[in-house]
Amino acid sequence: DAGVIQSPRHEVTEMGQEVTLRCKPISGHDYLFWYRQTMMRGLELLIYFNNNVPIDDSGMPEDRFSAKMPNASFSTLKIQPSEPRDSAVYFCASSLRPGDGYTFGSGTRLTVV
Amino acid sequence: DQQVKQNSPSLSVQEGRISILNCDYTNSMFDYFLWYKKYPAEGPTFLISISSIKDKNEDGRFTVFLNKSAKHLSLHIVPSQPGDSAVYFCAATGNTGKLIFGQGTTLQVKP
Repeated sequence: DAGVIQSPRHEVTEMGQEVTLRCKPISGHDYLFWYRQTMMRGLELLIYFNNNVPIDDSGMPEDRFSAKMPNASFSTLKIQPSEPRDSAVYFCASSLRPGDGYTFGSGTRLTVV
Repeated sequence: DQQVKQNSPSLSVQEGRISILNCDYTNSMFDYFLWYKKYPAEGPTFLISISSIKDKNEDGRFTVFLNKSAKHLSLHIVPSQPGDSAVYFCAATGNTGKLIFGQGTTLQVKP
C-alpha cells in the first residue's frame, strides 16, 4: 500500500480564493481524520469520518471550512474563501480503529497571501 | 482549551545521553497515550504507546512512563542518536476515539 496520499504537497493562493485539499486513505481503513498543524497549537483535529460519515466536526474553525468523503477512497477539505490565517500544514490520517495508531499523509503546506 | 500540553518547545541533548520529553494532560477520561515522531516535510509516524492500566512501556531505546495521578507522561530515549532529531508529539485519546495532540517538542541530538 502506498500509504495515505495527499495532494497537492504545496498550495499558494490569494486571499479570497477557494482552496481544495485532497486525501486518499489506506484501503480498508474505516476512519479518516483531517488535522491542521500550527506552531501555537500543534496538531489540531478539524474533523473525522467513520465509514464516509462525518462523526465530529467540532474542530472546524469556521463555516468557511467544509469537508466531504464521497467514498471510502477519497476525501476533500475545502476552504472558501481562504484567509492568510489559514496558512498552515494540513494533514490527513487514516486508521482501522478509533484511537489506534494513525497513518498520516505527508501533508499539504497551504500559504494564503 | 489545550487538553494535551507539551510545555517545552525544544530540547537539545548530546549524542549518547538520555532525552526526556514531557507531556501533561487535563482530561481524566483519557485512557490511551501515544507518541509520534515527525521529520520535516513528512507526516507524523507512530512511535510508542501506553494504556492507562500500565505505568511503563518499553520498546528498544524508547520508554514511555505514565503517572496518572499527576496526569503526566514522559518519553525517554536512551541512548540518544542524531537520527532521533525530530519533532515529537504527545497524543491522548479516550472513549471518543479522537486523538488529541500536544504542540510538539523539537529534539536536537548533537553529535
